[in-house]
Amino acid sequence: QKEVEQDPGPLSVPEGAIVSLNCTYSNSAFQYFMWYRQYSRKGPELLMYTYSSGNKEDGRFTAQVDKSSKYISLFIRDSQPSDSATYLCATGTTSGTYKYIFGTGTRLKVLA
Amino acid sequence: SAVISQKPSRDICQRGTSLTIQCQVDSQVTMMFWYRQQPGQSLTLIATANQGSEATYESGFVIDKFPISRPNLTFSTLTVSNMSPEDSSIYLCSAGQGTDTQYFGPGTRLTVL
Repeated sequence: QKEVEQDPGPLSVPEGAIVSLNCTYSNSAFQYFMWYRQYSRKGPELLMYTYSSGNKEDGRFTAQVDKSSKYISLFIRDSQPSDSATYLCATGTTSGTYKYIFGTGTRLKVLA
Repeated sequence: SAVISQKPSRDICQRGTSLTIQCQVDSQVTMMFWYRQQPGQSLTLIATANQGSEATYESGFVIDKFPISRPNLTFSTLTVSNMSPEDSSIYLCSAGQGTDTQYFGPGTRLTVL
């Protein structure tokens, strides 16, 4: 079992839709949870970073963490064609090496 | 946040040669990381580079193949040695401050013929 599982997609939605992206993780020691957005031929760009269970909102983006079920989500409201990218979830722990584990990424396409 | 630049942005190399990738951060950071990303796959950590100490390599990656330098708190290099076509990939560096999150450079796209 991979430490972080993420559906690779692709996921196609119409402009204005609410998008839900999800990951599961296996190691309960993970304490940090991140979402990155990666446009084609670019490096990953940090979108959201959260430490605890619950919701964190930033503009059209909401990150949700449920540590009891080891499930993390990213919601995008009023999706735009410019949101078309690959979204990577990542988890990490501060124990030892501060190493992060990334999901494979979900490719999202928002259709105009 | 940190702004990270990488050089070169892309290169095409011959089998058996070596390439050194540079990573520059606009502020001092404790930790720098080198990743490999193959098409359609996730980021795989190669090694963690802390200033003043030897890099820590992940399983499957060795110093002879991927020597890393970290001469100061804003700069690191990764060398891909004795390259083969299997080394064709995107190489990414990132920087972080301990418990803080990681910020990524734009990547170096390497093709080995």
